[in-house]
Amino acid sequence: EDQVTQSPEALRLQEGESSSLNCSYTVSGLRGLFWYRQDPGKGPEFLFTLYSAGEEKEKERLKATLTKKESFLHITAPKPEDSATYLCAVQAEGTGTASKLTFGTGTRLQVTL
Amino acid sequence: KAGVTQTPRYLIKTRGQQVTLSCSPISGHRSVSWYQQTPGQGLQFLFEYFSETQRNKGNFPGRFSGRQFSNSRSEMNVSTLELGDSALYLCASAKSGRAASGSSYNEQFFGPGTRLTVL
Repeated sequence: EDQVTQSPEALRLQEGESSSLNCSYTVSGLRGLFWYRQDPGKGPEFLFTLYSAGEEKEKERLKATLTKKESFLHITAPKPEDSATYLCAVQAEGTGTASKLTFGTGTRLQVTL
Repeated sequence: KAGVTQTPRYLIKTRGQQVTLSCSPISGHRSVSWYQQTPGQGLQFLFEYFSETQRNKGNFPGRFSGRQFSNSRSEMNVSTLELGDSALYLCASAKSGRAASGSSYNEQFFGPGTRLTVL
């Protein structure tokens, strides 16, 4: 069974204090690893998809990296507007072109002034 | 480009009733997936439809069902509602393609969700 574990559960940073969120996964074969941002009461907002170990993607203050067992979401010099829950999900091989994602429970990030 | 839309945004029902939720995917997207999000269980996959056919199904009871129309719009239905069905129901619209490595991929874009409260 596919599993995704995110740590820490919650993280409080001061503005400008860089940090990393972790996503560990076990899957029979990885088709893709997804990062989303979710604000309270809203649907998840797509950030990145990573497909193979060694891949990196960046968007503004966010950078996602992938190894064979885990992914990191690095947040550089965060601002209060980066406060949200960050979700990691995996899509397994063997599901054909089906779209099932298995999610972690997320990391709640709070960035204060 | 319009995003995924879901209606209604909020719904209050009582136990034993049934409910139908609607999702309109991004134009050109043929795959629609449904997820249930609760504080205790997080995001859990319900089912996926592609070209009007259910292509994948999660571990939910048969009270949860869905369908997709020829224009890719999708509905999900929950019959005989229980208190535990209270949740945020999310619809995701998928775009598929081929990555630089040659493997297939898809990206899923979520709608705002329907907040269902069962009393």
